[in-house]
Amino acid sequence: DGGITQSPKYLFRKEGQNVTLSCEQNLNHDAMYWYRQDPGQGLRLIYYSQIVNDFQKGDIAEGYSVSREKKESFPLTVTSAQKNPTAFYLCASNPRGSGTGNEQFFGPGTRLTVL
Amino acid sequence: KQEVTQIPAALSVPEGENLVLNCSFTDSAIYNLQWFRQDPGKGLTSLLLIQSSQREQTSGRLNASLDKSSGRSTLYIAASQPGDSATYLCAVGENNRLAFGKGNQVVVIP
Repeated sequence: DGGITQSPKYLFRKEGQNVTLSCEQNLNHDAMYWYRQDPGQGLRLIYYSQIVNDFQKGDIAEGYSVSREKKESFPLTVTSAQKNPTAFYLCASNPRGSGTGNEQFFGPGTRLTVL
Repeated sequence: KQEVTQIPAALSVPEGENLVLNCSFTDSAIYNLQWFRQDPGKGLTSLLLIQSSQREQTSGRLNASLDKSSGRSTLYIAASQPGDSATYLCAVGENNRLAFGKGNQVVVIP
């Protein structure tokens, strides 16, 4: 089955710790994205990558880091510098990185709770 | 900066009634507009994608229209069912990214 997988589904972290969220896709899509969702808020873009070994900051990149070493993988690290990391994190992809009318597909999400 | 608005934030309708959800955006220079469904604690499921050159898209009981010049899109769901209860999100496609509204939380009452 083609799709986007995110792991783990639930993640708990102590304050001051870094944590990495996994996102993998087997759709052969060039572009991948990370969003954050908070209650009552729309999705906010953290980072995106249009091609392997390249990525750009979104609207709320502070306290986060990413890498794109393989086409199918786009892990997100939430660092201790992120002031309010408790949220629902969603990974997405679309076929091409260029700004044409591509449909975006989403993974099931990871809920991160900082204790 | 693109701003996407969905009003009302929440609504309830009796089963069988048609649902009408509205989305407005401030910058008409868009590539496309996408409607998503989100169930509690889940990811987003794509419902319809309308390219900027199109006026509407249909899939089963769902129909979405796009009026770029006025910055509006409407999602129609015919003959609503309890299984349609969910949050519906509108997203506008700009260069390399989507800008999201906050969603319409819909409850269909049996």
